Amino acid sequence: KQEVTQIPAALSVPEGENLVLNCSFTDSAIYNLQWFRQDPGKGLTSLLLIQSSQREQTSGRLNASLDKSSGRSTLYIAASQPGDSATYLCAVHGSSNTGKLIFGQGTTLQVKP
Amino acid sequence: DAGITQSPRHKVTETGTPVTLRCHQTENHRYMYWYRQDPGHGLRLIHYSYGVKDTDKGEVSDGYSVSRSKTEDFLLTLESATSSQTSVYFCAISVGGDTNYGYTFGSGTRLTVV
Repeated sequence: KQEVTQIPAALSVPEGENLVLNCSFTDSAIYNLQWFRQDPGKGLTSLLLIQSSQREQTSGRLNASLDKSSGRSTLYIAASQPGDSATYLCAVHGSSNTGKLIFGQGTTLQVKP
Repeated sequence: DAGITQSPRHKVTETGTPVTLRCHQTENHRYMYWYRQDPGHGLRLIHYSYGVKDTDKGEVSDGYSVSRSKTEDFLLTLESATSSQTSVYFCAISVGGDTNYGYTFGSGTRLTVV
């Protein structure tokens, strides 16, 4: 059974810092991995999608990497801003071709001005 | 972005009553999903659909049923609501008509069962 773990559960950093959020998964047979952002009381916003054949994806200050063999992904946020404060969720689309996502519990990020 | 709307946004209901949540998409995406989000459990899949009248169970399907009579609508029904079903419910679609594409989520329905 696929399990997704995110470390740390919470993170507080001063504005301007570069930071890394970690996601690990137990079954390396995945179709893709997606990073989402969730603001309090809101829905999920897709940030980056990495297909199983890709190693990384970039969007602005965000860079996500994928190492399938070791079951790991990282989300790198450069020059963090207070507006980046949110919960970041990692989700894996597993090996069954049904589109079901398995989510980690998320990392709650606070960026202090 | 694919248009996806959930209704209602908030609902309070009594234990034992049936409740139906609606998810509506404006494009013809094949795959649709219902998740619930709870503190300490994260997001968990309830049911999903891979076409009109084609549905299957997720990991927490007990007490829930779904229907998809049209491509654009996916309904989630709590047959007899219980307090343990108090949660935030999210609908999602798999964009691109294929399960290897990304996902878009609705804004959620906050359900309270009293």
